[in-house]
Formats: sequence, C-alpha cells, structure tokens
Amino acid sequence: DAGVIQSPRHEVTEMGQEVTLRCKPISGHDYLFWYRQTMMRGLELLIYFNNNVPIDDSGMPEDRFSAKMPNASFSTLKIQPSEPRDSAVYFCASSSGTSRLNEQFFGPGTRLTVL
Amino acid sequence: GNSVTQMEGPVTLSEEAFLTINCTYTATGYPSLFWYVQYPGEGLQLLLKATKADDKGSNKGFEATYRKETTSFHLEKGSVQVSDSAVYFCALTSQGGSEKLVFGKGTKLTVNP
Repeated sequence: DAGVIQSPRHEVTEMGQEVTLRCKPISGHDYLFWYRQTMMRGLELLIYFNNNVPIDDSGMPEDRFSAKMPNASFSTLKIQPSEPRDSAVYFCASSSGTSRLNEQFFGPGTRLTVL
Repeated sequence: GNSVTQMEGPVTLSEEAFLTINCTYTATGYPSLFWYVQYPGEGLQLLLKATKADDKGSNKGFEATYRKETTSFHLEKGSVQVSDSAVYFCALTSQGGSEKLVFGKGTKLTVNP
C-alpha cells in the first residue's frame, strides 16, 4: 500500500491567494483527518470525516478554511484567502473504524508558506 | 473533555542513555493510549499503544504501561540510539468509541553520539 498521499509537498504563495491541499487516504479507510502543525500551537485537529461526511469541524480556525471529501479516495483542504499566519505543515491522516485499533496513518504533510 | 499533559522538551541524551518521557492524562471512561513518533520531515507514525489498564505497549525497545491509578503512560527506553532522535507525542482517544485522538504537545528528543 502506498500509504496516505498528500500533494503538494511544499507550497509557497502570497497573501490573499487561494490554496488547495490534497489528500488520498489509504484504500479501505473510512476516517480521514486534517491536522495543522506549528511550533507555537503544536498539532491541531482541524476537521475529520467518516464515510465522506464531516463529523467534527470545530477545529477549523475560521471561514477562510473549508474541507471537502467528494469520494472515499480524495479530500481537499482549501484556504481562501490565505494569510501569513496560515503558514504551517498540514497533515492528512486516515484510519479504519472497523479495526477498532484507532491507529491513524499520517501522510508526509504539506509545508505551506504564505508570504 | 479528555486531555493529555506531556513532558516538555527538548530532551538531549547521549547514546545508550536511559529515556523517560512523562505523559499524564485526564479522561472519562476508559480511553486507549498511544505514543506516536515523528522523524524529521515526516508525518507521525504509531510507536505503541495500550487499550486497558495495566497493559504494556512495546515496540523498537520502547515501552509504556497504562497506569490507571496514576493516570499515566510514560514512555521508556533502556538504551537510546542516535536514530531515536525525533519528536514523541502522547495521545488518547477523545471519548469512548471515538476515532478522534487528542495529542499532547510533543517532546523533542535529540540523541548525541
């Protein structure tokens, strides 16, 4: 299995631009999580999905952030408009609810820099 | 809600030293407990877990025991290697049956040769 795939690995953009991060979970996993990691705030859960349905988006910082999961093999996290304080590493993770192991498998992350 | 308090780092050790990273938790019910490790430039990966009181999780020479009486899950390794340099995160399930995990802030470990 290829594991969780994220793209792009690095993104540099200017303030005010739209940014779209992409994630392909492990095949067969029914949970998908988006995290943000910064030095100041550590690892934060932004939103998670179960069977493509958003379950908890309480971690989404503000309306500039949105996430979708149109099918079981693809999810996006969009920031519009982006701001310098959005600079962080964004991780996608997936897990299988049927395993009851709660193990989340993380992607390599997307390092976002907003200038 | 459930929460994790993790020993703040950074921690710097010499090779072959003994490692302890403290983790305590607050939870309702009976959460599962985890240690994740993040190597430089990578995502987190599961290191070990324990699902009930007195369980001991172990992997790659690391161990942690689920202590309900002290609400702790301290990570230990008897002899660290340079390759163990990473950030270590303690975590627990958010609530009974939930797939959501609550992570500690992470402890950066550097092992010098």
